[in-house]
Amino acid sequence: AQKITQTQPGMFVQEKEAVTLDCTYDTSDPSYGLFWYKQPSSGEMIFLIYQGSYDQQNATEGRYSLNFQKARKSANLVISASQLGDSAMYFCAMRELNSGAGSYQLTFGKGTKLSVIP
Amino acid sequence: NAGVMQNPRHLVRRRGQEARLRCSPMKGHSHVYWYRQLPEEGLKFMVYLQKENIIDESGMPKERFSAEFPKEGPSILRIQQVVRGDSAAYFCASSPQSVSGRDYGYTFGSGTRLTVV
Repeated sequence: AQKITQTQPGMFVQEKEAVTLDCTYDTSDPSYGLFWYKQPSSGEMIFLIYQGSYDQQNATEGRYSLNFQKARKSANLVISASQLGDSAMYFCAMRELNSGAGSYQLTFGKGTKLSVIP
Repeated sequence: NAGVMQNPRHLVRRRGQEARLRCSPMKGHSHVYWYRQLPEEGLKFMVYLQKENIIDESGMPKERFSAEFPKEGPSILRIQQVVRGDSAAYFCASSPQSVSGRDYGYTFGSGTRLTVV
């Protein structure tokens, strides 16, 4: 079973509108973290936002917010007021304990390609 | 405050040659992680190292791939006798510590794009 599922291979959004990118996860580790990264066409991985499994509040970072629904195991990224520069691949990732190695590991979803339309 | 530095940015190798990818972590970071990204895919974990130690290599192919993080100098990912299927983007990330928490942030380098011809 996939640990991180991003069901939207591609999304379109009108400039200045809000968009939600979906992410569901699967883990038995009670202490985990959820990340969103942006990968523009230039290729680098840019950290956007983090949500810890014990955080009571949904994370927000500027125009990015994370809609964390723990019981549903979902961690959707909401981008408000989309800009042309938001066009990129977006990856959801989960950090959980790899008990075999005794260390934390970051697992990525396959990504969603967001295109912002002027 | 240099970030994670990876070089080269692009690397072309013929089948059967060796590829060496370098990663210098952020200042103050002692943990290094290597990831591989195939076209149209997310990043896949390969190996996690601390200085002079391999902590978790559960994502490394059993043959031809090796990684090191010496006491001095960058971390090196080595691929021997490369094949076409090794063509991918290889990312390195570093972190200051390996415990849970908001600041347990992975800082990624810009990646090395390996093309095997």
